[in-house]
Amino acid sequence: NAGVTQTPKFRVLKTGQSMTLLCAQDMNHEYMYWYRQDPGMGLRLIHYSVGEGTTAKGEVPDGYNVSRLKKQNFLLGLESAAPSQTSVYFCASSRPPGAGADTQYFGPGTRLTVL
Amino acid sequence: ELKVEQNPLFLSMQEGKNYTIYCNYSTTSDRLYWYRQDPGKSLESLFVLLSNGAVKQEGRLMASLDTKARLSTLHITAAVHDLSATYFCAVALNNDMRFGAGTRLTVKP
Repeated sequence: NAGVTQTPKFRVLKTGQSMTLLCAQDMNHEYMYWYRQDPGMGLRLIHYSVGEGTTAKGEVPDGYNVSRLKKQNFLLGLESAAPSQTSVYFCASSRPPGAGADTQYFGPGTRLTVL
Repeated sequence: ELKVEQNPLFLSMQEGKNYTIYCNYSTTSDRLYWYRQDPGKSLESLFVLLSNGAVKQEGRLMASLDTKARLSTLHITAAVHDLSATYFCAVALNNDMRFGAGTRLTVKP
């Protein structure tokens, strides 16, 4: 099993450009998450999904959109990139809470630079 | 609003010593997690704590949860160099997840 994979691993954008980050998981997890990690700030939740076709906002959703058309995939979109979105983006997946084993499995990350 | 504070943010230890990392959170939570991150790498799950008084141990690491005090601790016993990493606690309320800023641990010979 590959676990959680992210595409691409690195990307450089110019201000105003758009892009989509792809997250895929092969563990049949219901829940998927997108985080950003900035130096000294830990991870912050952008959006999450509790199942195919459903998404919800997290702590820092502005400037991002997401879609979960298939259970195994969770896409993060930046419509008009800004330098403040320079960060490392992590995707994660998990079972639903309450199962006692709902730890999140993280992807390798995408390092995004916006010039 | 759910807030999570970790301390210390930086910790330098000598091998063989014991130390504790603290994680305080601001509101009632469903569950608490501890993760490890090596430089330039992704996060690896260490523990999931679900109930008051929960204690879990893996090797030299032991995590506990006091929901009344809204406090979790990660205790390191007889530290070794391989434990050098950044440790995060994360708190969940419904489906919202909040992470602490992380504790960067360096274990010196």
